[in-house]
Amino acid sequence: KQEVTQIPAALSVPEGENLVLNCSFTDSAIYNLQWFRQDPGKGLTSLLLIQSSQREQTSGRLNASLDKSSGRSTLYIAASQPGDSATYLCAVRRSTGTASKLTFGTGTRLQVTL
Amino acid sequence: NAGVTQTPKFQVLKTGQSMTLQCAQDMNHNSMYWYRQDPGMGLRLIYYSASEGTTDKGEVPNGYNVSRLNKREFSLRLESAAPSQTSVYFCAIGTSGRLRTLYNEQFFGPGTRLTVL
Repeated sequence: KQEVTQIPAALSVPEGENLVLNCSFTDSAIYNLQWFRQDPGKGLTSLLLIQSSQREQTSGRLNASLDKSSGRSTLYIAASQPGDSATYLCAVRRSTGTASKLTFGTGTRLQVTL
Repeated sequence: NAGVTQTPKFQVLKTGQSMTLQCAQDMNHNSMYWYRQDPGMGLRLIYYSASEGTTDKGEVPNGYNVSRLNKREFSLRLESAAPSQTSVYFCAIGTSGRLRTLYNEQFFGPGTRLTVL
């Protein structure tokens, strides 16, 4: 059974700092990995999607990397801003099956302070 | 969360009551999913529908039923609500089957916050 772990569970950084969020998974047979953002009381917003054949994806100040063989992904946030404060979730998708079912980590709650 | 709508946004039930959570999409995606989110547990898949007319159990299906009414709508029903079903419920959509080349990205609705007393 696939298990996804995110460390740390919570993180507080001052504005402007670069930071890395970690995601690890136990079964390397994945189709892709997706990073989401969730604001308090809200739904999930997709940030980045990395296919299993890719090493990284970038969107603005966000960069996600994937090392499938070691079961790890990182989300790098450059020049953090208070608006980046949210919970960040990673989810992996199995290689097989007719529907793309996701297994989620429990998230990292990020607070960016002024 | 554009493209996926959920109703209601909030609901309070008494133990034993029934209700149906509604989900609708306007993105023409084949697959639809129901998740629940609980503190410390992450999101867990309840049921999913790979395409219109098909439904399958996910990780935690007990106590729930689903209906894929058409391509746009996927409902989740609690026949006899229990306090253990207090949670936030999310509907999601995604591509599947021969559209797998479109990366199978999933998009989520805003959620329904359910409390069972």
